[in-house]
Parts: sequence; C-alpha cells; structure tokens
Amino acid sequence: EAGVAQSPRYKIIEKRQSVAFWCNPISGHATLYWYQQILGQGPKLLIQFQNNGVVDDSQLPKDRFSAERLKGVDSTLKIQPAKLEDSAVYLCASSLVGGKPGAKNIQYFGAGTRLSVL
Amino acid sequence: QQPVQSPQAVILREGEDAVINCSSSKALYSVHWYRQKHGEAPVFLMILLKGGEQMRHEKISASFNEKKQQSSLYLTASQLSYSGTYFCGTEYRNDYKLSFGAGTTVTVRA
Repeated sequence: EAGVAQSPRYKIIEKRQSVAFWCNPISGHATLYWYQQILGQGPKLLIQFQNNGVVDDSQLPKDRFSAERLKGVDSTLKIQPAKLEDSAVYLCASSLVGGKPGAKNIQYFGAGTRLSVL
Repeated sequence: QQPVQSPQAVILREGEDAVINCSSSKALYSVHWYRQKHGEAPVFLMILLKGGEQMRHEKISASFNEKKQQSSLYLTASQLSYSGTYFCGTEYRNDYKLSFGAGTTVTVRA
C-alpha cells in the first residue's frame, strides 16, 4: 500500500515570497491533515479536511496561509507572503475516518517538506 | 491542550530499558504513540484506548492510566533501531483531534 506522498522535500525561499506544498494521501482515506513542525517541537495541526470540506482550521494563520483539497483527494498548502518564523517542516497526514474516536483516527504521515525562509 | 512528555531526552546502551511518560491535564480518551527518525515521517506505533489493554510493538509496550491521565511507553532491551524521537498524541472525548507532545529523543548506543 502506497503511503502519503508529499512534494517538494525541501524548499528555500526569501521572506515575502510565496510557496506551495502538495500532498497525496493514502487511497481511500477521507481525512487529510496539515501539520507544522518547528524544530524540537511536536507537530501542530494547521488544518483538517474531511473529504473536500474543512473540519478545523482554527490554528491556521489565515492572513497568509491557505489550503484546499479539490475532489477530496490531493491537497495543497500555500504560504503567501512567507515570514522567517514559517521555517519548519510541513507534514501531511491522512486517516481513514477523522473526527471519530480511537482506532479510526490513526494518522499516517508523509515525509514532510522542510521549508527554510531566509 | 498539549500533553507533557518526560524526559526530554534519554541515552541508552543496547539492551537497557527506558520509560517515557505522557501526561495530560484533561481526561483522556486515547493516546497514540509515534516514532520519528531524523528527516523521516512520524511512524505510528500503537494506540491506547480508555478501558483498553496494554499494547505492544515488538519489544516496546505501553500502558494507559486513566486515573492519572497518563500513558507510559516502555522500551525493553533496547536495540539500535529504537533511536528516534517518540511523540505521544492525545485524544479527548468530544474533540478527537490529536494534540502532540514535544517529544522524547531516544539515543541507543552500541
């Protein structure tokens, strides 16, 4: 079974530039998550999709971050304009069914995109 | 509500044991444990459910103490492959998002 695919693996940009990340979840997984992981910290949820609808985006800095999941499969996360503090690894994860307790909420992660903002 | 993990880091020799704790200030529904090696994706190890039994993954086991609102991960007879950062993710009733701790970095040396 193919895992969660993310691209690119690395990205270096200057502040105020824009950047986009792509994620392809495990086939059949209804729920997709984007996390931000700053060095030395645990993943922090940015946004959660159930199929192609947003379930939770309470921690997404909406003035600069946006995300979409067209057709309930692939997703893109965009930052525009980027700030120095956006330097982090952006992880995408998927689960069979989100918002349900326990085993159905087991999340499978992609390898992430490491973003450096200079 | 981010759980608190302890210790922050631990260094072991092959064959030694270690315990990692994950504590919450709120009543837990479940705890998920993940391991992340440097530059790689976090990998799911096991899930502990409220009222459920102790779980195992190879020689790694975990328990869930509902009264203490805590889960513990036990690394028994550690192997070099156990090196990495271990994260707990906590679920709360009526809010089934995962909140991750800051992680515990485990280094196993030969």
